[in-house]
Amino acid sequence: EAGVTQFPSHSVIEKGQTVTLRCDPISGHDNLYWYRRVMGKEIKFLLHFVKESKQDESGMPNNRFLAERTGGTYSTLKVQPAELEDSGVYFCASSPGLPGDIQYFGAGTRLSVL
Amino acid sequence: AQSVAQPEDQVNVAEGNPLTVKCTYSVSGNPYLFWYVQYPNRGLQFLLKYITGDNLVKGSYGFEAEFNKSQTSFHLKKPSALVSDSALYFCAYRGSTLGRLYFGRGTQLTVWP
Repeated sequence: EAGVTQFPSHSVIEKGQTVTLRCDPISGHDNLYWYRRVMGKEIKFLLHFVKESKQDESGMPNNRFLAERTGGTYSTLKVQPAELEDSGVYFCASSPGLPGDIQYFGAGTRLSVL
Repeated sequence: AQSVAQPEDQVNVAEGNPLTVKCTYSVSGNPYLFWYVQYPNRGLQFLLKYITGDNLVKGSYGFEAEFNKSQTSFHLKKPSALVSDSALYFCAYRGSTLGRLYFGRGTQLTVWP
């Protein structure tokens, strides 16, 4: 069974440019989460999808970030325009949605904004 | 505010010695507690969780953790460390049976030969 996959693994862009991160969850997992870790700090929640609907987007830092989940399958996270403070590792996780279940994480996308 | 804390940024231990990675929590109600590990260039891997029941939880790769309500701790332990255990360890909690995880800052474990 394939795990959570994220593309690209690393992205280097200049301030002001646009970047789109993609996450493919484990097949059949209704719940999809985005998290971010800025260098040396804790991993912080960004948002949570249940199927194609945003269940909780309280962690999104500002309106430069836009997340979508087309048809309840893969998800994209777009940053437009990117700022220096957006640099970090963006993790995606998925879970079936059963009580007490485990979130399975992808390898992350390392975003460097220069 | 509800949170988990990992008081040590780094833990160093010799191979074969027992290891402990500390986690304390400040959560109202019944916390759902997790440990994840991140190996270099890999994603977070689930190690173990405490939801309810026995305070001693056994997980992957020989790790275990003890839920201590009086000390509000959930320390990760292993009786005999391996060099391959060297990685970044994260403690996390969830306020309900579903939903977002709240992570600690992480502890870098180094096991030297």
